[in-house]
Amino acid sequence: DVKVTQSSRYLVKRTGEKVFLECVQDMDHENMFWYRQDPGLGLRLIYFSYDVKMKEKGDIPEGYSVSREKKERFSLILESASTNQTSMYLCASSYLSGRAYNEQFFGPGTRLTVL
Amino acid sequence: EDKVVQSPLSLVVHEGDTVTLNCSYEVTNFRSLLWYKQEKKAPTFLFMLTSSGIEKKSGRLSSILDKKELFSILNITATQTGDSAIYLCAVEARGGAQKLVFGQGTRLTINP
Repeated sequence: DVKVTQSSRYLVKRTGEKVFLECVQDMDHENMFWYRQDPGLGLRLIYFSYDVKMKEKGDIPEGYSVSREKKERFSLILESASTNQTSMYLCASSYLSGRAYNEQFFGPGTRLTVL
Repeated sequence: EDKVVQSPLSLVVHEGDTVTLNCSYEVTNFRSLLWYKQEKKAPTFLFMLTSSGIEKKSGRLSSILDKKELFSILNITATQTGDSAIYLCAVEARGGAQKLVFGQGTRLTINP
């Protein structure tokens, strides 16, 4: 079974803190993604990566950065957390496009609260 | 700008009812449309649709795509309380590293 794990299920941080969210997948997937999920807005893509050390901005990258030093691991960094970054953060992974059946597999999510 | 709109946003029905969830989209260079089910944690994959008019089926769930009218429906027959979840629709455009654009989701509640 494909497994995508995230370092924390729940996290509470203070405004201005630096926050690291970690994601690890065990399927040798090339693509990895970070989304945030807010009520009424669905999932919105923050950043994605299609290879080690490669990163691409998604639809809402402001206030976030990412790191992919190893193929299986993709980190989301909030340099200075703010209250409007309180959200559910979901990591996903998939094979490179071109395969016939190529869905994204999701981790369980990290619910981040910034006070 | 690529866009996916789901309706209704919320639906409450009784066990045994049949439900239809809708997903319309506007995307440049459409590649595929995906449906996911999200209970308390990770969204889990249901269907991927790439061709118009071909129904995908899995047990009581089925889905079909209309590429001319730019929409998809997800049907659930004989609903059960375990079908209660958020159902997510997403569209993939051609090119690039498989970026998905998601709709807002439909929250489905099945009452016993």
